[in-house]
Amino acid sequence: KAGVTQTPRYLIKTRGQQVTLSCSPISGHRSVSWYQQTPGQGLQFLFEYFSETQRNKGNFPGRFSGRQFSNSRSEMNVSTLELGDSALYLCASSLSGTIYNEQFFGPGTRLTVL
Amino acid sequence: DQQVKQNSPSLSVQEGRISILNCDYTNSMFDYFLWYKKYPAEGPTFLISISSIKDKNEDGRFTVFLNKSAKHLSLHIVPSQPGDSAVYFCAATNQAGTALIFGKGTTLSVSS
Repeated sequence: KAGVTQTPRYLIKTRGQQVTLSCSPISGHRSVSWYQQTPGQGLQFLFEYFSETQRNKGNFPGRFSGRQFSNSRSEMNVSTLELGDSALYLCASSLSGTIYNEQFFGPGTRLTVL
Repeated sequence: DQQVKQNSPSLSVQEGRISILNCDYTNSMFDYFLWYKKYPAEGPTFLISISSIKDKNEDGRFTVFLNKSAKHLSLHIVPSQPGDSAVYFCAATNQAGTALIFGKGTTLSVSS
């Protein structure tokens, strides 16, 4: 069974640009969550999608958005990039999205904003 | 404000000894706790979990203890092995059960 895949693995952007990250969940998983990992803040929850609907959202500005497609693949978009957005962005998939179903993480996309 | 706190950024242990990683939380509504392990260049992987109705859960060399009154949990690894060297994250569910609230992690180094 293929794991969670994230593309691209590495990305370099400049301030003010926008970026789109992609996540393909494990086959059959309907929930996708996104997290931001930085050295100072650790892992922080961004949002969670289930069956194309955003069910839960963390405390991030509106520049961070996402969506989920009918095949459960998800994209995350960050507009008007700031230096502080440099981070490892992780997505995780699970069968139904409740924490009682284990979340499986992808390897992450390393975003560097110059 | 950090709702899940791992106050020790790093821990060094000798092979064969016990590793104890600690975690504190502030939200008394959390009812499910998990530990994840993360190697460099990989995503976190689930290690062990515990429900608030229990005070202990074991899985092989890994045991998690929960003290609800103190809002404290700990992960014990016995015996520690060099392959256990990684970043360990403590996490708790939000009330909806659809998101993980993570601590900042503790880097464990096990020397042979």
